[in-house]
Amino acid sequence: QEQLQESGPGLVQPSETLTLTCTVSGASIASGSYDWSWVRQPAGKGLEWIGHVFITGTTNYSPSLQSRVTISVDRSKNQFSLKLTSVTAADTAVYYCAKFLTTRYCSGDFCSNAFELWGRGTLVTVSS
Amino acid sequence: DIVMTQTPLSSPVTLGQPASISCRSSQSLVHSDGNTYLSWLQQRPGQPPRLLIYKISNRFSGVPDRFSGSGAGTDFTLKISRVEAEDVAIYYCMQATQSPWTFGQGTKVEVK
Repeated sequence: QEQLQESGPGLVQPSETLTLTCTVSGASIASGSYDWSWVRQPAGKGLEWIGHVFITGTTNYSPSLQSRVTISVDRSKNQFSLKLTSVTAADTAVYYCAKFLTTRYCSGDFCSNAFELWGRGTLVTVSS
Repeated sequence: DIVMTQTPLSSPVTLGQPASISCRSSQSLVHSDGNTYLSWLQQRPGQPPRLLIYKISNRFSGVPDRFSGSGAGTDFTLKISRVEAEDVAIYYCMQATQSPWTFGQGTKVEVK
């Protein structure tokens, strides 16, 4: 059964760089028409899309975070990663990795253009 | 950015009774390819979100048929025909027609 699992430090110092990795198990990250995505959720609040990477390395980021975000993919490890620089307390959140079936590379009724699978999430706290 | 607005923000329901959540977008979600990329997600307490509905009305794999979606353009609805205890959750609408993808604020469905 396919699963996504986030990993990384739970505590990051202000002004430092937050780095998280998502490991995909049960399927190849190179198969299918998926954008490998990051979404975050501050405690008690809603969901915010951060950005995604396609297996070719093509990325798309939220404009509000674009200057600080890098998402990359490592086929050999079946992983993709998030780097967020110059973090502040406002970046404290549960970070989810997710698999998004993109219609850029598929067609038909089953092509959802939606987040079809999520990791369990990892809490990252920005504090000194 | 497209703003997604959900109503109500809280919906107390009696088990076995229906529930309905509305979602309105600040602009049409009809994509240039003719599809409307409006989805609904469920987030149970302490769990990650889960896809329920995509492209307005298509139930995702494994989703019970008591969940249904409808709507067009800028107005969309998620309905639960008979609420069960496992349906207690926060429900989010989400648009993926125009980047950046955006979510509604969430609607909490709880038992009266």
